Amino acid sequence: DVKVTQSSRYLVKRTGEKVFLECVQDMDHENMFWYRQDPGLGLRLIYFSYDVKMKEKGDIPEGYSVSREKKERFSLILESASTNQTSMYLCATSPLGFSADTQYFGPGTRLTVL
Amino acid sequence: SQQGEEDPQALSIQEGENATMNCSYKTSINNLQWYRQNSGRGLVHLILIRSNEREKHSGRLRVTLDTSKKSSSLLITASRAADTASYFCATDAGGTSYGKLTFGQGTILTVHP
Repeated sequence: DVKVTQSSRYLVKRTGEKVFLECVQDMDHENMFWYRQDPGLGLRLIYFSYDVKMKEKGDIPEGYSVSREKKERFSLILESASTNQTSMYLCATSPLGFSADTQYFGPGTRLTVL
Repeated sequence: SQQGEEDPQALSIQEGENATMNCSYKTSINNLQWYRQNSGRGLVHLILIRSNEREKHSGRLRVTLDTSKKSSSLLITASRAADTASYFCATDAGGTSYGKLTFGQGTILTVHP
């Protein structure tokens, strides 16, 4: 079974702090994704990566950056956390293919910025 | 804009009844997928239907796809309390998508015992 783990289930940070959210997968998938989920807005794609050191902006990249130094690990960075970044953050992976395949999700990190 | 939009936003039924959720989308797709999310957890993949397929079954799940109307429906038969969750459709717009999916806002299903 694909296993996708996220570094924390719950996280509380202060405004202005630098925040790191980590995602690790064990299935050798090429594609990795970071989403945020807010009530009434569904899942919105922040960034994704289709290979080591490769990254692409999603629909809402402002205020975020990412890092993918190893295939199995994809980090989301909030350079200076703000209260409007309080949200549920979900990581997902999928294998490389011509069309989008099943995405496998981690359990999520609920981030609160005070 | 949202590629996939689910309808209804919330659905409340009794155990044993069928639940039907609909999804509409705007552009052509390679495939459409349905996911389930239990409260406060990650999403779990349920079923994928390709653009050249019209219907697919998996256990108590039945998915239909009408590309002419740009819509899909998810039917859960003989629902159980454990089916209580949010359900999302997601579309793959094709091209060099790198596996990107666009998710709708979801339908919250409550099944009362």
